[in-house]
Amino acid sequence: LAKTTQPISMDSYEGQEVNITCSHNNIATNDYITWYQQFPSQGPRFIIQGYKTKVTNEVASLFIPADRKSSTLSLPRVSLSDTAVYYCLVGGFKTIFGAGTRLFVKA
Amino acid sequence: NAGVTQTPKFRILKIGQSMTLQCAQDMNHNYMYWYRQDPGMGLKLIYYSVGAGITDKGEVPNGYNVSRSTTEDFPLRLELAAPSQTSVYFCASSLQRTTPWGGEQFFGPGTRLTVL
Repeated sequence: LAKTTQPISMDSYEGQEVNITCSHNNIATNDYITWYQQFPSQGPRFIIQGYKTKVTNEVASLFIPADRKSSTLSLPRVSLSDTAVYYCLVGGFKTIFGAGTRLFVKA
Repeated sequence: NAGVTQTPKFRILKIGQSMTLQCAQDMNHNYMYWYRQDPGMGLKLIYYSVGAGITDKGEVPNGYNVSRSTTEDFPLRLELAAPSQTSVYFCASSLQRTTPWGGEQFFGPGTRLTVL
């Protein structure tokens, strides 16, 4: 199972773009990269998933370089409600949730 | 669709008691999972199932048992509760592709368990 490394915490202000980078040096050929968001007292919620290059949906973008050893979650124009823990996962169905990145968005 | 449902929401157990945490999904997902999350930590996989009748251990299976007799239900059994099992338990399900791996997991609201 590929392990991931991401910053423990990040601070931002409302309206800014936030980029959270995750390293996954041991990613396997068939592994997807998936990001989840978790609010206190709730289960994680899927944000975005990608295999290579760039993926964009209505809430985020995911940038994956050609070697796939890292990925960057980009949250455009964050608001206070984006304060949460963000998890980067690599693999298939049997993945490891690390400690995640605690994002604090300030007014 | 109700998605993934879990019961109960809260439970207090005494050391040595047993209980079953219920999990059900109505999305016809083939894969289901049980995680535990201790305060301030990430989720740890306890058991998972790739289909009815098939289960396997995750990272922290000791002290737990599972069964999957139907696609919809995936109960988690604690046989002899210990204080170390105080945690929040999340059930999840996903519709997994095979190659390459993919598929988002849908999580239930969690069960907060305290063992005293």
